[in-house]
Amino acid sequence: EPEVTQTPSHQVTQMGQEVILRCVPISNHLYFYWYRQILGQKVEFLVSFYNNEISEKSEIFDDQFSVERPDGSNFTLKIRSTKLEDSAMYFCASSEAAGGTYNEQFFGPGTRLTVL
Amino acid sequence: AQSVTQPDIHITVSEGASLELRCNYSYGATPYLFWYVQSPGQGLQLLLKYFSGDTLVQGIKGFEAEFKRSQSSFNLRKPSVHWSDAAEYFCAVGAARGGGYNKLIFGAGTRLAVHP
Repeated sequence: EPEVTQTPSHQVTQMGQEVILRCVPISNHLYFYWYRQILGQKVEFLVSFYNNEISEKSEIFDDQFSVERPDGSNFTLKIRSTKLEDSAMYFCASSEAAGGTYNEQFFGPGTRLTVL
Repeated sequence: AQSVTQPDIHITVSEGASLELRCNYSYGATPYLFWYVQSPGQGLQLLLKYFSGDTLVQGIKGFEAEFKRSQSSFNLRKPSVHWSDAAEYFCAVGAARGGGYNKLIFGAGTRLAVHP
């Protein structure tokens, strides 16, 4: 069964450093998402991406964050200068389409980011 | 603004007992509703979803949920809980954009413990 994969599973970084979280969405999916979950809190939407551009972003997704689809398979989230409060589990998701029948979002296992 | 409320932070049930997890949503149009389960250290797995039609939806692992528009609720139920059901359960609403949905808004989650 196709699945969303994410690497690394755990990333530890120093405050102020740049990190790139990587995701490989399901191959025929067109919409890609990043969510985050701070420990003990709810899952929060960060950004959605379609046709090589951001379709929607939340207030959390400030100038420190960027997303990219550098090739036909990867989808990345970059945090330019990490802060302590960026420590969280980051989930990637993908969906075949945003509307219609096939619009379930499939989630990856997550990357746990720890900022020291 | 769209929001999801899960009133119960923690629930403990005995194995074999029935279960109902509550979810209330605030949304201006017909909602797309979801229940996800998250086991410790794992990603999010979709249990079931409601888009339209029959208000009682069946999911995986013996779960079902009922959409009640008049109460703005989408409660999750299972007639007989198994020890392996211990996990965190998230209700989510899909925020529609252009006929489909583009992001998920999650509730705070309900942590389920199962006593033998």
